[in-house]
Amino acid sequence: AQKVTQVQTEISVVEKEDVTLDCVYETRDTTYYLFWYKQPPSGELVFLIRRNSFDEQNEISGRYSWNFQKSTSSFNFTITASQVVDSAVYFCALLASVGGYNKLIFGAGTRLAVHP
Amino acid sequence: NAGVTQTPKFRVLKTGQSMTLLCAQDMNHEYMYWYRQDPGMGLRLIHYSVGEGTTAKGEVPDGYNVSRLKKQNFLLGLESAAPSQTSVYFCASSYQAERGSGELFFGEGSRLTVL
Repeated sequence: AQKVTQVQTEISVVEKEDVTLDCVYETRDTTYYLFWYKQPPSGELVFLIRRNSFDEQNEISGRYSWNFQKSTSSFNFTITASQVVDSAVYFCALLASVGGYNKLIFGAGTRLAVHP
Repeated sequence: NAGVTQTPKFRVLKTGQSMTLLCAQDMNHEYMYWYRQDPGMGLRLIHYSVGEGTTAKGEVPDGYNVSRLKKQNFLLGLESAAPSQTSVYFCASSYQAERGSGELFFGEGSRLTVL
């Protein structure tokens, strides 16, 4: 089965706290891609990161960091020193091969609320 | 620098009415997709297209039809709208030169309410 599970449905933190959003995936593919998207209250989907299955190096971009571990099929996202502007729904997604073509399979999303 | 454009952004329909959502992309992408987003369920794929003149069913295709007559456009049709089709619809496109490499670019979404 090709599936993405986002462990937390909602998270609430106070500004400046660190927060981790957990993502667990299932796939039969040996080559695959994982993504994180952000959906702010305005509704658009903003691409954050793409990681392929052969690259397990952690990545850091400013206050954002991602921890990819194939051994546990996880691709977790950490925000350091959270800010109110980080409040959004975050989606983890798997680019899967289904019926011979690639399609993006989304998790249900984690709603993050950062309070001042 | 339009990217992916969806029209209309908002629409209210009565049960049984028909309508078409238009998606246009100016990035010369081969692949286009229609997703629906419902609370607590993430995004689910309705239909997709891997090139001009081709379409295929996704995860939740029932009640929808699509057409890709031109490479840049992907239309989503509701022939007889039902309240269960109340949702936010997202169009996306991607360029996939090889299997597994394509990042999806999304439109801003279209909010549809069926009364």
